[in-house]
Amino acid sequence: GEDVEQSLFLSVREGDSSVINCTYTDSSSTYLYWYKQEPGAGLQLLTYIFSNMDMKQDQRLTVLLNKKDKHLSLRIADTQTGDSAIYFCAERRYGGSQGNLIFGKGTKLSVKP
Amino acid sequence: GAGVSQSPSNKVTEKGKDVELRCDPISGHTALYWYRQSLGQGLEFLIYFQGNSAPDKSGLPSDRFSAERTGGSVSTLTIQRTQQEDSAVYLCAGSRGIGQPQHFGDGTRLSIL
Repeated sequence: GEDVEQSLFLSVREGDSSVINCTYTDSSSTYLYWYKQEPGAGLQLLTYIFSNMDMKQDQRLTVLLNKKDKHLSLRIADTQTGDSAIYFCAERRYGGSQGNLIFGKGTKLSVKP
Repeated sequence: GAGVSQSPSNKVTEKGKDVELRCDPISGHTALYWYRQSLGQGLEFLIYFQGNSAPDKSGLPSDRFSAERTGGSVSTLTIQRTQQEDSAVYLCAGSRGIGQPQHFGDGTRLSIL
């Protein structure tokens, strides 16, 4: 399909790991991004991965990329209540319109104490 | 400034009025993007500026929408004869160039009565 797809909701308990999944559309996409949006705020860049990588780790965040399946995931270790937010996956398609990003509809992460 | 600044943060106006939304990107960010985020939706690309090149207007939904960027810095998005379906959060982002991570402002929440 043409859309970047994410599940809409995820609920975890504080201290557990969260895994947010995303399926993107273009196998030639060059960069894939994860953004976090808290209520009333803009999008905060969390991390990004270049398409020639299959994993990137940054403190509590681990990004896994499966190019064959066009699947991207974001793992948050030791999830905290402050991680509650909407998480957006985005791709920049090769040759895309001057570099604008294609976003999924976002996954709302709820962290229960 | 330290981050992308957007104003106003909230705007309520009557149907049929014109509105102007402003974005002041991070210094040195030559690329500037406008996106629209409707309730429960992902981000929809509107327009992109890169340096002195002609803007990419391919995402603008109608000819009521226009944008300009003066002096390669501040940008204004103008919506003429607003309609209720224009109600959304309008987000601005900047980057150092094509393919570089985009950094977002907190957006302008536009409500058309």
